Amino acid sequence: AQSVTQLDSQVPVFEEAPVELRCNYSSSVSVYLFWYVQYPNQGLQLLLKYLSGSTLVESINGFEAEFNKSQTSFHLRKPSVHISDTAEYFCAVSGSGGSYIPTFGRGTSLIVHP
Amino acid sequence: DGGITQSPKYLFRKEGQNVTLSCEQNLNHDAMYWYRQDPGQGLRLIYYSQIVNDFQKGDIAEGYSVSREKKESFPLTVTSAQKNPTAFYLCASSIGGSRVGELFFGEGSRLTVL
Repeated sequence: AQSVTQLDSQVPVFEEAPVELRCNYSSSVSVYLFWYVQYPNQGLQLLLKYLSGSTLVESINGFEAEFNKSQTSFHLRKPSVHISDTAEYFCAVSGSGGSYIPTFGRGTSLIVHP
Repeated sequence: DGGITQSPKYLFRKEGQNVTLSCEQNLNHDAMYWYRQDPGQGLRLIYYSQIVNDFQKGDIAEGYSVSREKKESFPLTVTSAQKNPTAFYLCASSIGGSRVGELFFGEGSRLTVL
């Protein structure tokens, strides 16, 4: 079985400061990893994904995540956040046991203060 | 534009009533999903369907029913047997195959039981 742990339920940060949202997964086989973002009262949007190849993946709005197989982690980072980054962020894993259906973490609420 | 349409966005229901949430997609995706979102609990899978006329239970299927008569449509019925139906419901779809686990979400339907 696969599972995802997002270690922080809420992360407050000031605008232009760096941020890291932590995600650890459990699986004994190769997996696919995702970060989704959800703005209030909306659906989720894919932010970035790791399927294979380079362990560092980037999004178009400055976020990046690094797949670390030895630590079973896929932490999300941004060097300088904006007020508009305030949202809920979900880490997800799929591929374990042949299942393509993703398992989601509980989410991390990123709150950016001016 | 291609996407997933959920309706209604907000719905109020009296206890004991069944209610059906609509989900339509024009992305030509094979797989469709229903998730339930509660604060602090992430997304939990209710039902999913890989092809027309076939669907499987997810982790929390009790009190819910679905149908998949057309590729584009995957409605969810919340029955009176669901003991705590107040939640935010999200419909999603995926291509499947190499796009393992990458989901496209609708805007969600918020159900409140009075």
